Amino acid sequence: KAGVTQTPRYLIKTRGQQVTLSCSPISGHRSVSWYQQTPGQGLQFLFEYFSETQRNKGNFPGRFSGRQFSNSRSEMNVSTLELGDSALYLCASSSKPPDTQYFGPGTRLTVL
Amino acid sequence: LAKITQPISMDSYEGQEVNITCSHNNIATNDYITWYQQFPSQGPRFIIQGYKTKVTNEVASLFIPADRKSSTLSLPRVSLSDTAVYYCLVGDTGFGGGADGLTFGKGTHLIIQP
Repeated sequence: KAGVTQTPRYLIKTRGQQVTLSCSPISGHRSVSWYQQTPGQGLQFLFEYFSETQRNKGNFPGRFSGRQFSNSRSEMNVSTLELGDSALYLCASSSKPPDTQYFGPGTRLTVL
Repeated sequence: LAKITQPISMDSYEGQEVNITCSHNNIATNDYITWYQQFPSQGPRFIIQGYKTKVTNEVASLFIPADRKSSTLSLPRVSLSDTAVYYCLVGDTGFGGGADGLTFGKGTHLIIQP
């Protein structure tokens, strides 16, 4: 069974731009969570989706948003990028909450 | 939210057993304890999860005392490839979060030497 895939793997943007990251969960998984990882803050929870509904949201500004489609694929969007948004963005999927989550390889976002 | 404390770093040698302890004094009744391993620039990899007592799989063992205020991840006979960051995670109703979301520790950087 294929693992969680994330696209793109690397991304370079400039301040003020917006970006959309994509996550395809493991086949059959219906829950997708997003995390931001930076050297200073570590792993921080962004949001979790299940059956196209956002279940939980971390403490991030409204510039960070996400959605989940009927096929369980998920996207997250960051608008008006700031330098501090440079991070590794990780997606994790599970069959359903609260089952074990499996992470993808991440998208490395660099904001210049 | 459960406050998590784990050592920032640990050193050991190949072939040794390594025990990493995580403190979570205010763990809630519904919280599970989960450990992940992460290599640089990769997503965390699930190692083991438990609620109480002892859990063992092909990779590690997890020891949880009766009061559940701490847990110990035990890695038997480590090798150089076990050098990684290990995260202790305490989550409401398991690793999926609840109304309070998820709580990650800062991670323990384990370095295995030959």
